[in-house]
Amino acid sequence: SQQGEEDPQALSIQEGENATMNCSYKTSINNLQWYRQNSGRGLVHLILIRSNEREKHSGRLRVTLDTSKKSSSLLITASRAADTASYFCATAKTGANNLFFGTGTRLTVIP
Amino acid sequence: GAVVSQHPSWVICKSGTSVKIECRSLDFQATTMFWYRQFPKQSLMLMATSNEGSKATYEQGVEKDKFLINHASLTLSTLTVTSAHPEDSSFYICSAGRREQGTDTQYFGPGTRLTVL
Repeated sequence: SQQGEEDPQALSIQEGENATMNCSYKTSINNLQWYRQNSGRGLVHLILIRSNEREKHSGRLRVTLDTSKKSSSLLITASRAADTASYFCATAKTGANNLFFGTGTRLTVIP
Repeated sequence: GAVVSQHPSWVICKSGTSVKIECRSLDFQATTMFWYRQFPKQSLMLMATSNEGSKATYEQGVEKDKFLINHASLTLSTLTVTSAHPEDSSFYICSAGRREQGTDTQYFGPGTRLTVL
């Protein structure tokens, strides 16, 4: 399977705290993307990081990528109750345009 | 921009019937569309990649005769679940690819929840 692994599977934090989610993958990639999914809904694209990039920021989001370890992390700073959702990493292999999703992290932010 | 719609948003059908799900890119043309399946509290699993005007490429373990994909235009792809069974009950999500800054970005539809009785 080309599916990636994410940890933790579930994370519960207080509002205002930071949340960190990790993603590991198996193959060489062109880019890695993070998505958010509210329960029973579609996916919202959060951020894309290319294989030649090491860190990227977007608002309260910070993504890192370590291609030598085949891993990525997503940091959400100053979390809000509205951040409660499932977060998935997805990898795009070199030379291909289909995505393979990680197992996901269910984040709960307690007001 | 880059809105993708799916229809229907949910469907309940009897075992043995066929169900068609539509995926449309509303404000852009997508040469490639993708179909995923998601079981409760699990991740998305890629089922097939659909290119306009050609046959879909199915992932290993996905029955092409059961999950018929048609990509008739640059804005529409359909997934037909034939002879549906209760184990086909799932959340089906499509995405449409658009080339942006040298990268193929996928935009996802809101999903279709299929329940087979």
